[in-house]
Amino acid sequence: QVQLQESGPGLVKPSETLSLTCAVSGASVSGYYWSWLRQPAGKGLEWLGRLFSSGTTNSNPSLKSRVVMSVDPSKNLFFLNVTSVTVADTAVYFCARSRGYFDYWGRGLLVTVSS
Amino acid sequence: DIQMTQSPSSLSASVGDRVTITCRASQGISNSLAWYQQKPGKVPQLLVYAASRLEGGVPSRFSGSGSGTEYTLTINSLQPEDFAHYYCQQYYQNPYTFGQGTKLDIK
Repeated sequence: QVQLQESGPGLVKPSETLSLTCAVSGASVSGYYWSWLRQPAGKGLEWLGRLFSSGTTNSNPSLKSRVVMSVDPSKNLFFLNVTSVTVADTAVYFCARSRGYFDYWGRGLLVTVSS
Repeated sequence: DIQMTQSPSSLSASVGDRVTITCRASQGISNSLAWYQQKPGKVPQLLVYAASRLEGGVPSRFSGSGSGTEYTLTINSLQPEDFAHYYCQQYYQNPYTFGQGTKLDIK
């Protein structure tokens, strides 16, 4: 059974960098695409970007290059950085396995941007 | 970006009803369409991918259809556990985009 678990700070100050980790178990990160998504409270889902185990990435242009993703296959982890955050970046952040569609998801992590 | 428009945005129905949710893409997406169910405070669950393929473990009362720019999710014989939000998502082109969601609640 594939399981994903997000971790990271739940509170980030405006203008700082949001940094999250996704730990994958039950499968190797190698050979798959992995994505980050988010959902503001009471709103819909937004795809932030995806990365392949080789390190190749695709990001959503709506975030204007603030998204940086990376992977550590040796630890079965992948990472998200969102730079220069504002209150608009407050959301539940999900990591997911990406086959175009998303078949396995983490439980989500609420990140609040506030001073 | 490909815009995904879901309708209706909300829907009230009764247990046992058959309901249909529609998703329209701003351009053709060649059946690269998925449907998700999300209950309050929970993680989205994949129901259908490739427009009509049911994910393993999903009850057969759920079905997807469509082509080109228009796709539908049908739920036959609604069960109490089906009252939730539903989202469509296109994966034909980056950036992947979602519909705004349909809230299905009990009449």
